[in-house]
Amino acid sequence: GAVVSQHPSRVICKSGTSVKIECRSLDFQATTMFWYRQFPKKSLMLMATSNEGSKATYEQGVEKDKFLINHASLTLSTLTVTSAHPEDSSFYICSARFRNNYGYTFGSGTRLTVV
Amino acid sequence: AQKVTQAQTEISVVEKEDVTLDCVYETRDTTYYLFWYKQPPSGELVFLIRRNSFDEQNEISGRYSWNFQKSTSSFNFTITASQVVDSAVYFCALFFTGGGNKLTFGTGTQLKVEL
Repeated sequence: GAVVSQHPSRVICKSGTSVKIECRSLDFQATTMFWYRQFPKKSLMLMATSNEGSKATYEQGVEKDKFLINHASLTLSTLTVTSAHPEDSSFYICSARFRNNYGYTFGSGTRLTVV
Repeated sequence: AQKVTQAQTEISVVEKEDVTLDCVYETRDTTYYLFWYKQPPSGELVFLIRRNSFDEQNEISGRYSWNFQKSTSSFNFTITASQVVDSAVYFCALFFTGGGNKLTFGTGTQLKVEL
């Protein structure tokens, strides 16, 4: 149980285009989802927290207009990287918190390459 | 400040050796949760254990064991008789009730198990 599906696993896009990454909780309802970014050989950096039906809370230094987060239902959150540039290339990973539980499960990650 | 420190950046061992990964945390909260995750080369984060601050019992799961010491604010992870498949990055993480549902990650320890 408590599976989070993240798609796509890999994406290559051209500079200036937008890319959408989906994170779905398959067998539970996730009131809160989190989006992380991970640089090579580095830890996970929390970008934002998304709560179903409300605006995402972004961490300091994360551009809200570049990284658009939508959490329209209890099972789906999306991260859209707008007007992507090569410096946005990274590994993005989502996480969902179980309802009323202190458990977290992670998606399999998306490797974004902007050329 | 809430912080997780994994001082060991990289550890290399020979198969069948025991290895301990250190994790030291800081928090002002009395109620908190500690986690260990494994990140193999494929990138996904695999949940290993969650421990709450009121449960200091050590835990053993197969070749894995965890030592939680509140007196030293440590939550160390030992792999007994390591195997090549244990090669991965291991992250320790902290959740505290006053932290907005966020996990705070350590910087990770890269474990390499060689034949």
